[in-house]
Amino acid sequence: AQSVTQLDSQVPVFEEAPVELRCNYSSSVSVYLFWYVQYPNQGLQLLLKYLSGSTLVKGINGFEAEFNKSQTSFHLRKPSVHISDTAEYFCAVTLLYNFNKFYFGSGTKLNVKP
Amino acid sequence: DTAVSQTPKYLVTQMGNDKSIKCEQNLGHDTMYWYKQDSKKFLKIMFSYNNKELIINETVPNRFSPKSPDKAHLNLHINSLELGDSAVYFCASSQGGGTSYNEQFFGPGTRLTVL
Repeated sequence: AQSVTQLDSQVPVFEEAPVELRCNYSSSVSVYLFWYVQYPNQGLQLLLKYLSGSTLVKGINGFEAEFNKSQTSFHLRKPSVHISDTAEYFCAVTLLYNFNKFYFGSGTKLNVKP
Repeated sequence: DTAVSQTPKYLVTQMGNDKSIKCEQNLGHDTMYWYKQDSKKFLKIMFSYNNKELIINETVPNRFSPKSPDKAHLNLHINSLELGDSAVYFCASSQGGGTSYNEQFFGPGTRLTVL
């Protein structure tokens, strides 16, 4: 069975500080990895994805994530956050050759303070 | 233009009632999904339709019945609503999916509250 764990339910950070949101996954087969962002009262929006190739992937709004197969992690980072980055962030996986089905983590609320 | 739209945005109803949530996408996609996000923010897939054909049906009570009249619409009907059905329901769509990746686009969600 597949599972996604986001250990931090909330991450408070000051504006212009760096941030890392942690994501670990468990799967017996190969997976693809995603980060989604959910702004208040909106649907999910794709931030970035890892399908193959370089393990460091860059997404929108200055975010990046690194796939670490040995540690089964896909942590999300941003070197300097803005107030507008305040949102809920979800890590997700799909199985190799089965993109219809996403398994989501429970989300991390990023709260950027001035 | 809204790519994936859902109506209503908020739905408050009594236990035992029957209600429907509608979803429409204008992206020309052939695959649509329903997700449930519970109070702890867990997001879990419920159903998926490809070209009006059901391809994913998770362990969802049979009180939930999706209906896809055409590729652009996927409605969710819920019979005999229970307190535990309170959640935010998201619709999503993609072109294909399955064995090749295509981004899923999500609607804004419908917050269902069962009293």
